[in-house]
Amino acid sequence: EAGVAQSPRYKIIEKRQSVAFWCNPISGHATLYWYQQILGQGPKLLIQFQNNGVVDDSQLPKDRFSAERLKGVDSTLKIQPAKLEDSAVYLCASSPSADYGYTFGSGTRLTVV
Amino acid sequence: GENVEQHPSTLSVQEGDSAVIKCTYSDSASNYFPWYKQELGKRPQLIIDIRSNVGEKKDQRIAVTLNKTAKHFSLHITETQPEDSAVYFCAATPPSGSARQLTFGSGTQLTVLP
Repeated sequence: EAGVAQSPRYKIIEKRQSVAFWCNPISGHATLYWYQQILGQGPKLLIQFQNNGVVDDSQLPKDRFSAERLKGVDSTLKIQPAKLEDSAVYLCASSPSADYGYTFGSGTRLTVV
Repeated sequence: GENVEQHPSTLSVQEGDSAVIKCTYSDSASNYFPWYKQELGKRPQLIIDIRSNVGEKKDQRIAVTLNKTAKHFSLHITETQPEDSAVYFCAATPPSGSARQLTFGSGTQLTVLP
């Protein structure tokens, strides 16, 4: 079974620039999550999709972050404009249903300078 | 919402000894508790999970125990090996139909000393 694919693996940008991350979940997984993991902390949920609909985006800083899931498969997370405190690893995860744990992708490490 | 606290934040053990990591959760409705292992620069990987209808689950050298009354659960690693060195995260989630979300603890850096 192929895993959750994410790209790019690393990204360095200057503050106030924009950046986008891409995620391709495991085939057939209806639920897709984006998590932010700041160094030394546990992952924190940003947004959850069920198929192509948003289930929960209550912790997404909507003034600068946006996300979409096209046709219920791939997803993109965008930050515009980036701040220094956005430096983190952005993890995408997918799950086949509510009764299973997540499978995480390898993440995108973002550094904002 | 759910809140998960994890202790200790760092743990060093001698190779062959046991390691125990403890977590508490706040939402008494939570019924699924996975543990993830994250090696440096890599993605978190599920190593074991437990549901609220059981009190203990084992998988070779790893075991998890759950005390629903006290709202805490623990990860036990026996006969530790250097390759067990990693950050371990606990998580919890209440039942929410299709909207299940994991809330993670802050992580425990386990170092197994040779």
